[in-house]
Amino acid sequence: DIVMTQSPATLSVSPGERATLSCRASQTIRSNLAWYQQKPGQAPRLLIYGASTRATGIPARFSGSGSGTEFTLTISSLQSEDFAVYYCQQYNNWPPKYTFGQGTKLEIK
Amino acid sequence: EVQLLESGGGLVQPGGSLRLSCAASGFTFSTYAMSWVRQAPGTGLEWVSGISSSGDSTYNADSVKGRFTISRDNSKNTLYLQMNSLRVEDTAIYYCAKDIRGARFGEFPIDYWGQGTLVTVSS
Repeated sequence: DIVMTQSPATLSVSPGERATLSCRASQTIRSNLAWYQQKPGQAPRLLIYGASTRATGIPARFSGSGSGTEFTLTISSLQSEDFAVYYCQQYNNWPPKYTFGQGTKLEIK
Repeated sequence: EVQLLESGGGLVQPGGSLRLSCAASGFTFSTYAMSWVRQAPGTGLEWVSGISSSGDSTYNADSVKGRFTISRDNSKNTLYLQMNSLRVEDTAIYYCAKDIRGARFGEFPIDYWGQGTLVTVSS
């Protein structure tokens, strides 16, 4: 099974600064990676898919990069509403299954 | 506007059964693969089951294989999750989720999630 590992577990960043979140796959998943944001009491929201394509309505300050086994989500200038938990997810399995990382909590410094 | 409305959660004893439903609207339900994803209290996301748009292909996580069954009724725009032999560790919020595109499950990620229904397994 493909294991997704996110780092760090918690990231403390000041508003206006850049945040960089990492996700590593235990084997290659090509570009079949998505990023989600989840705020307390809410369902996750899709941010990025195909490793680098922003979902509909997602601000340009969110960007994704990487392929193979190493991926990055960058938030260029943190806004107050960006503090949340972020999950990566792979969709490159056969038989098909989704695997999520354990999440990175982005908190205000 | 895409809407996914889950129902059927509640308190059940270990070994019991529940059936979750997800009423979909705002899109052509019969043309999208769908999933159930759960989240235990204070923890991360775990994919549970997936189904193709026609319903003829289904997939389950190892943790629920042989106990949970995903199905759909495209005439009613509704997704189901039949959960049998429930365990304490099945306690979670269960989300209904729609793939961003594609009839076959697993080729694309989720773009819409319901608000979830809480399942509590406890004696």
